[in-house]
Amino acid sequence: DAKTTQPPSMDCAEGRAANLPCNHSTISGNEYVYWYRQIHSQGPQYIIHGLKNNETNEMASLIITEDRKSSTLILPHATLRDTAVYYCIGLRGSTLGRLYFGRGTQLTVWP
Amino acid sequence: GAGVSQSPSNKVTEKGKDVELRCDPISGHTALYWYRQRLGQGLEFLIYFQGNSAPDKSGLPSDRFSAERTGESVSTLTIQRTQQEDSAVYLCASSFSSGGSGAQYFGPGTRLLVL
Repeated sequence: DAKTTQPPSMDCAEGRAANLPCNHSTISGNEYVYWYRQIHSQGPQYIIHGLKNNETNEMASLIITEDRKSSTLILPHATLRDTAVYYCIGLRGSTLGRLYFGRGTQLTVWP
Repeated sequence: GAGVSQSPSNKVTEKGKDVELRCDPISGHTALYWYRQRLGQGLEFLIYFQGNSAPDKSGLPSDRFSAERTGESVSTLTIQRTQQEDSAVYLCASSFSSGGSGAQYFGPGTRLLVL
């Protein structure tokens, strides 16, 4: 699975968009980019995933660069409840791989 | 629909006792995972069940740990002769088999404290 690199921390004002970057320059053609988050004292939560195209769901949008070497998770209107550690992961197309979380990005949303 | 549920939510036990943790996956999910997360640490894979295939037990830290799954439903993780280093949050996740989304959906975890 691809190695990913994320900034250790980011801040965002409540109501503004939070843009969380992830570098995955070694990602292979059949690896999906997955995003999870973990709110303090809770289990991890799936957010979104994509292969090549940009994706959007009720939680977030995922923008993947054309060369697939990086991606950005966008929370369009961050709330205080979005404060969490966000993890970017590359997983093969078999989609049944075990999850390894790196250090992720600690997003703090301020009122 | 209902998410992944785990019980008990908290467990305090004495060193040397056995504990059993339960996971109820999302209905229809054929894959089930157990992870462990120590305080301030990342996820540690323990075991993976997929349908009727033999489970992947490669993450179990010692022979004191075992897990079973009944068909494609409930799973139990058993820790025998618990040690203080077993204290952690034990997380269960389930997902669809390949062909669907690979997203893993996690339960709230069981917080185990071994005194």
